[in-house]
Amino acid sequence: IAGITQAPTSQILAAGRRMTLRCTQDMRHNAMYWYRQDLGLGLRLIHYSNTAGTTGKGEVPDGYSVSRANTDDFPLTLASAVPSQTSVYFCASSDSTSGDYNEQFFGPGTRLTVL
Amino acid sequence: GQNIDQPTEMTATEGAIVQINCTYQTSGFNGLFWYQQHAGEAPTFLSYNVLDGLEEKGRFSSFLSPSNGYSYLLLKELQMKDSASYLCAVRDSNYQLIWGAGTKLIIKP
Repeated sequence: IAGITQAPTSQILAAGRRMTLRCTQDMRHNAMYWYRQDLGLGLRLIHYSNTAGTTGKGEVPDGYSVSRANTDDFPLTLASAVPSQTSVYFCASSDSTSGDYNEQFFGPGTRLTVL
Repeated sequence: GQNIDQPTEMTATEGAIVQINCTYQTSGFNGLFWYQQHAGEAPTFLSYNVLDGLEEKGRFSSFLSPSNGYSYLLLKELQMKDSASYLCAVRDSNYQLIWGAGTKLIIKP
């Protein structure tokens, strides 16, 4: 593995179903993030984790949950999917959240369609 | 509220220069990032500014004026591969990134 991987690449899901999007990084970054990207809107932060064992809510957390049991993995779960959750989901990581630079590195994304 | 504005779309000619502007109003400021995103791909980091002034990196330069809430990305010697969306993002007082909607840059031969 090099960088950040996400799975699945794409998924079509029936409304009401539970779904977990997987994210794994091998850069030993402390911070990880989940964003959604919708046409005409900027990336919006769903949840974040500054370090393993801690998580926080972003701008649009409703309907989503995350866990950070270890440094490498940061899964995002939709407990009961709704059509408004149709989007492209990006996982990202950074060495830390403060200080200069600490740019975020992005995974390839998961395209999710909820019908 | 927090707001980042950038033009929705710009068109430029191969070999020319283009400037993409970004204005922002955020709760606190801890740096500004520019990312490039090709269609169907993930954003990739281009530049970071935190102090007033110009940062040059090859064909790409980024300027920041924190007192005016203003930044621009300057792309020189445009190539067809520069056709992409350019995202402006500001790190706020909570050290979270607030993203603009992006500027789609179309390069014509």
